[in-house]
Amino acid sequence: DAGVTQSPTHLIKTRGQQVTLRCSPKSGHDTVSWYQQALGQGPQFIFQYYEEEERQRGNFPDRFSGHQFPNYSSELNVNALLLGDSALYLCASSRTGGSHEQYFGPGTRLTVT
Amino acid sequence: KQEVTQIPAALSVPEGENLVLNCSFTDSAIYNLQWFRQDPGKGLTSLLLIQSSQREQTSGRLNASLDKSSGRSTLYIAASQPGDSATYLCAVPPGGGATNKLIFGTGTLLAVQP
Repeated sequence: DAGVTQSPTHLIKTRGQQVTLRCSPKSGHDTVSWYQQALGQGPQFIFQYYEEEERQRGNFPDRFSGHQFPNYSSELNVNALLLGDSALYLCASSRTGGSHEQYFGPGTRLTVT
Repeated sequence: KQEVTQIPAALSVPEGENLVLNCSFTDSAIYNLQWFRQDPGKGLTSLLLIQSSQREQTSGRLNASLDKSSGRSTLYIAASQPGDSATYLCAVPPGGGATNKLIFGTGTLLAVQP
């Protein structure tokens, strides 16, 4: 049973560029959430997708956008990258109607120079 | 607004010692509480999930307790091993309803010395 997978593992971008991160949820899960984790901090909630729609959003600017596909996989897009966007980006999945236990992927390390 | 605090920020113990990690939350109306482990630069591994109606959960050498009225949870690790070295995070959903959004503490960095 494959867990949550994310790609790429690492990414280096320049200020002002755009980036797309990808996530495939654990088998049987239909909800995907994205988190940003700065060094030495706990993860911060960006947004959650269910049934291909954004359902909840954290305190992040609209430079951060996402998408969920019919197979439940998801993308996180960040436009006009800033140095402060450098972080570990984590994807979590869960099953609607279950215990709401969140399962996380290995993360994508984004470095903005 | 829900806030989660973890004390201590870092802990170093000799191998074999039993230890307790603490997690506090400001709003006691939580739906559940989840403990995670994170190795350096890696993703989060779910350790234990406690529903609001439960007092504790156990998995192997790990035992997590929940006291909603006092806004506290503890993670007890028995007979610690060097492989337990990692950052331990607790997280709760905001508000009392079921939601996939989690509010995290900043974690406790645990080092178990051989």
